[in-house]
Parts: sequence; C-alpha cells; structure tokens
Amino acid sequence: GAVVSQHPSRVICKSGTSVKIECRSLDFQATTMFWYRQFPKQSLMLMATSNEGSKATYEQGVEKDKFLINHASLTLSTLTVTSAHPEDSSFYICSAGQVTQYFGPGTRLTVL
Amino acid sequence: GIQVEQSPPDLILQEGANSTLRCNFSDSVNNLQWFHQNPWGQLINLFYIPSGTKQNGRLSATTVATERYSLLYISSSQTTDSGVYFCAVTANFGNEKLTFGTGTRLTIIP
Repeated sequence: GAVVSQHPSRVICKSGTSVKIECRSLDFQATTMFWYRQFPKQSLMLMATSNEGSKATYEQGVEKDKFLINHASLTLSTLTVTSAHPEDSSFYICSAGQVTQYFGPGTRLTVL
Repeated sequence: GIQVEQSPPDLILQEGANSTLRCNFSDSVNNLQWFHQNPWGQLINLFYIPSGTKQNGRLSATTVATERYSLLYISSSQTTDSGVYFCAVTANFGNEKLTFGTGTRLTIIP
C-alpha cells in the first residue's frame, strides 16, 4: 500500500508558540490531503482538506487563522498550529490517497 | 451530514475467540474502509469495502450497502488484535472526505 509519513511524531511546546507538522506522501502524488484531530479515547474528526496549489477547505468550527495549511507540492502538506494553547493538545493525523485513504503515523502535540 | 455508529463500543475477549464488529451508517456511501488503530496511534488499513465481502487471513468484512451496514469479523483472536477498530465512509461521489465511526475498542486477554 501507499506510504504517508509525518514529522515530528511528538512535540512539546510552550503556550503561545507555533508548531509546524509535515505530511508527506512518499510513493505517490497527492493533489489532496486531509488533516484530522483525535482527542483521547475519541474518534477522528476531520479538520480540513488540503488542496495542492490552492487554499485549504476547513470544516465548520475549525479556525483557519489558527490552523494554517499549506500544500505547496504534490507530496507535501504542512499544518501550522499558531499561538498554541493547552486546549490544542491533541493527536494530529494526515491522510492521502484516491479511492483508498492512507494515514500517516500521527503527531502528538502537547502544549504546556 | 452522514452519521456513522459502531457497536459494541468496547469488547473484551479471550485469546482464540471470534468477534463481530458492526458499523451502521445513515446514508448511501460510495466508500467504506475499516481501520485498526494500534496502541501507538497508527491507523492500519484493513479493507476497502463499499459493498460485498472480502477476506484477508483471519479477518473478513461484509458491507450490505442497501441496508446501510458493514460487519468486520475477526477469527481466532490474538493479543496483537487489540486496539481500536474504526469504520469510515464517504457519502458523496467524488468527495474523498472520510467520516469516521465511533470506534470499537477491542481488548484480547491472553
């Protein structure tokens, strides 16, 4: 199957700082990638759709100015959590694919 | 939007037992996938199964699209099967956005 990577796998930061998470499709090109957030013992919730060469599409209730998404190439999408606060602590997962979605290993963000 | 409910929410079984996990969805779908989320959070693709039946080793899945449900069968459970199982669907043709179910947490006891 296709491989999607994420970096970093874990990040701890202070409140007020910004954190960038990278999502890469390693063996295929992806014009669209998806970003999800998962709180402990809950399901995955879609945050936004990342579109190569154009603006991301955000789900209702997700602040676009707080969660900046850039999809500058066919293999890379980045999610930047700006001015992070403790309530942003979560597990962030990206996916890519066409008929079948493949998921990255996730990034665990802890904001102190 | 489409609603996806899974049952049971939790399941504890002895090693070697069989299990059936259910996924109900509220509208027509053109994509249904089953995933296993391991203890480290990685989502592992199990099946792409918008309709019909598929088998892969000890796992099999059946989707009855007209009745809006899918079943995941796990036979001869092993401790490595522990984790959370999610089904996820896309409701509109050409829209790849997945809506995830509520999940079933499976614990296999040695």
